[in-house]
Amino acid sequence: QKEVEQNSGPLSVPEGAIASLNCTYSDRGSQSFFWYRQYSGKSPELIMFIYSNGDKEDGRFTAQLNKASQYVSLLIRDSQPSDSATYLCAVKKSGYSTLTFGKGTMLLVSP
Amino acid sequence: GAVVSQHPSRVICKSGTSVKIECRSLDFQATTMFWYRQFPKQSLMLMATSNEGSKATYEQGVEKDKFLINHASLTLSTLTVTSAHPEDSSFYICSASTGIVTDTQYFGPGTRLTVL
Repeated sequence: QKEVEQNSGPLSVPEGAIASLNCTYSDRGSQSFFWYRQYSGKSPELIMFIYSNGDKEDGRFTAQLNKASQYVSLLIRDSQPSDSATYLCAVKKSGYSTLTFGKGTMLLVSP
Repeated sequence: GAVVSQHPSRVICKSGTSVKIECRSLDFQATTMFWYRQFPKQSLMLMATSNEGSKATYEQGVEKDKFLINHASLTLSTLTVTSAHPEDSSFYICSASTGIVTDTQYFGPGTRLTVL
């Protein structure tokens, strides 16, 4: 079982729709969870992090964490073509400084 | 806040030469810096973790004598690719973490290395 799993996609949504990106992780000792966006040919850019169960909202983005189910998701409301990118889920385990990344989900938002 | 820079953004070198890449945290002190490599259409691969004043910790399979890392201060880390070969051509990205709360990593813009 991979440590951090994401559907590679592509996930295609029309402009204005809600995009839902999912991530599961295997280590119950995981402590913090991060979503990064990576445009083709660019480096990852932090969208948001979450470490408590429940929802965390930042603008059009909402991260959801369910530690019992070992599941973290990212919702993007009012999706825009500029949101088209690969979204990386990353997990930090307690006592470690490194992140474990999923392979990323490609999101395509069509005008 | 939390801006990380890298220099150079692109470099082309001849096989056998060495290339140094700088990573700086511009507006915060980074307790830990990380170096990643990414090949086209592939995932980020962590190469090493470095703490200021300490030797870097390399991931399995990464040659420490080939990829020299120096973390001279809380705002600067360098990666030197020694005796570069065409197979070292890749996108090298550094990140820096604040060591606070969630220890969030902020990424630099990356350096694209092409070895001829």
